[in-house]
Amino acid sequence: AQSVTQLDSHVSVSEGTPVLLRCNYSSSYSPSLFWYVQHPNKGLQLLLKYTSAATLVKGINGFEAEFKKSETSFHLTKPSAHMSDAAEYFCVVSDTDGTYKYIFGTGTRLKVLA
Amino acid sequence: DAGVTQSPTHLIKTRGQQVTLRCSPISGHKSVSWYQQVLGQGPQFIFQYYEKEERGRGNFPDRFSARQFPNYSSELNVNALLLGDSALYLCASSSRQGTYEQYFGPGTRLTVT
Repeated sequence: AQSVTQLDSHVSVSEGTPVLLRCNYSSSYSPSLFWYVQHPNKGLQLLLKYTSAATLVKGINGFEAEFKKSETSFHLTKPSAHMSDAAEYFCVVSDTDGTYKYIFGTGTRLKVLA
Repeated sequence: DAGVTQSPTHLIKTRGQQVTLRCSPISGHKSVSWYQQVLGQGPQFIFQYYEKEERGRGNFPDRFSARQFPNYSSELNVNALLLGDSALYLCASSSRQGTYEQYFGPGTRLTVT
């Protein structure tokens, strides 16, 4: 069965410092992995996706993630946090049962301090 | 182009009542999925429809049902509402089944009192 584990429920960083949000996955197959962001009272916005192409994936708003098969990880990073990055972030794996339904992690709330 | 739209934005219902939530996918998208997001948790898969047929169902009771119309819009129905059904209900569309990328609407916030 596919699953993702987000290792931190809350992360706080100062504005201008790097961001690291950690995600480990479990998959019997080569997974399709995503990071989504959810701002308060908003829907989900796709940041980036990995679908077995390049292992370093660049997304929107300066975010990127690296797929590491040996570590079963897909951590999200950004070199310099901005106040507008404060939000909930979800790591997602696409199921392999034919539906490609999303299986979400529990989320990481990012707080950016001025 | 318009994104995924959902209606209503918010609604309040009483225990035991029934509710219908609506979703219009991105133009040209034929697959619609529904997710439930309880406060403080990640979304959970409820249903997937493709070409008007149910293609997947999550671990939800039979009180939850859905359908997809010829124009690919979709409705989610929940009967005999419980307090625990209070959540944000998200609709996502994709261009076809077997496409990894899903696009989400803003959600419908359901409060059951």
